[in-house]
Amino acid sequence: QKEVEQNSGPLSVPEGAIASLNCTYSDRGSQSFFWYRQYSGKSPELIMSIYSNGDKEDGRFTAQLNKASQYVSLLIRDSQPSDSATYLCAVKGAGGFKTIFGAGTRLFVKA
Amino acid sequence: DAGITQSPRHKVTETGTPVTLRCHQTENHRYMYWYRQDPGHGLRLIHYSYGVKDTDKGEVSDGYSVSRSKTEDFLLTLESATSSQTSVYFCAIRDGGTEGNQPQHFGDGTRLSIL
Repeated sequence: QKEVEQNSGPLSVPEGAIASLNCTYSDRGSQSFFWYRQYSGKSPELIMSIYSNGDKEDGRFTAQLNKASQYVSLLIRDSQPSDSATYLCAVKGAGGFKTIFGAGTRLFVKA
Repeated sequence: DAGITQSPRHKVTETGTPVTLRCHQTENHRYMYWYRQDPGHGLRLIHYSYGVKDTDKGEVSDGYSVSRSKTEDFLLTLESATSSQTSVYFCAIRDGGTEGNQPQHFGDGTRLSIL
């Protein structure tokens, strides 16, 4: 069973701090990596995609990928209470039709 | 926002009745997916489609069937609903792209309660 693992949290950070969310995956052939944000009672919303080793920045968000370590992370700078949500890591292998989702990490940003 | 509409948004029904959920897209994407999401389990794939009339099972397909007679619609049917199928159901779509690495985009979900 190909797996994507995340710490369920909750991860609690003060407003203005950096939130660091981590994810490991088991399939070495994985090629595409995604982070989704899901507010309570809402659907998952794509916030970042990353395909190559290294960092990818988009506003306050930075995704980091290390394929050798099978590790992907999401950094949220200057965290805001509105960032409080569950963050899902998702991984897709080369070819195939399926994307494997982690169970998510709950983030709580304290004002 | 991706053009995905799920209907109904909420439904309450009784054990043993058939239930059909609809996912409609306006993006002309090739791939469509049905997930259920339950506390402690995350998103679990029920069925998916890779084209008109082309479908396959996911990890939790027992008790569910699907149909895709045209690109824009993907139907999920609970043949005889059970209380264990009480859940939030999400439809997702994905463009094929040139390398098959596009992300999925989700509909707003259907909250289904089976009494």
